[in-house]
Amino acid sequence: EAQVTQNPRYLITVTGKKLTVTCSQNMNHEYMSWYRQDPGLGLRQIYYSMNVEVTDKGDVPEGYKVSRKEKRNFPLILESPSPNQTSLYFCASSLRRGQGSYEQYFGPGTRLTVT
Amino acid sequence: GNSVTQMEGPVTLSEEAFLTINCTYTATGYPSLFWYVQYPGEGLQLLLKATKADDKGSNKGFEATYRKETTSFHLEKGSVQVSDSAVYFCAPSGRDSGAGSYQLTFGKGTKLSVIP
Repeated sequence: EAQVTQNPRYLITVTGKKLTVTCSQNMNHEYMSWYRQDPGLGLRQIYYSMNVEVTDKGDVPEGYKVSRKEKRNFPLILESPSPNQTSLYFCASSLRRGQGSYEQYFGPGTRLTVT
Repeated sequence: GNSVTQMEGPVTLSEEAFLTINCTYTATGYPSLFWYVQYPGEGLQLLLKATKADDKGSNKGFEATYRKETTSFHLEKGSVQVSDSAVYFCAPSGRDSGAGSYQLTFGKGTKLSVIP
């Protein structure tokens, strides 16, 4: 089954304790992206990757890191989490098409709470 | 950069009522337009799309027409069901002038509740 998986689905942690949220897709997609969803703000892009070893900042990259060593995986790293990073996080992937008409496939989400 | 203005929610309708969720956008170039839906506790999934002017996207009884002259992509459904209760996101895909790549820009979402 074609899908995007994220782990963990739920995470409660404390300020400053490094964490990684994993994302994996089995569709051989080139493009992958991380979003955060907050009430009243919709979805905001954190980082994206156009291909292996190619990553770039989205709208809200501060406090996050990513890596793209393999095509299927795109982990999100919080080196020193803070309470304002409490949010619902989504990973997404898509084929890259020249005219930009690609559809993004989303993971089920990771609910992160930082105390 | 690209931007989306989406109808504020929440929207509460009775079953079988007519639904319209307005969406207008600004985007560089000639964007493709998408509506995504998020059911409770789930990730977003594509509902419908349109890739050129006057195209009509449709799925599950929902429709939206790409109106280039008004830069709009309003979502409609003639008769909503309880199972349509979800959050709906409008999203143009336009070229990001800074990065040169195509990016999706999401609206803030409109929460729809359908009551029996």
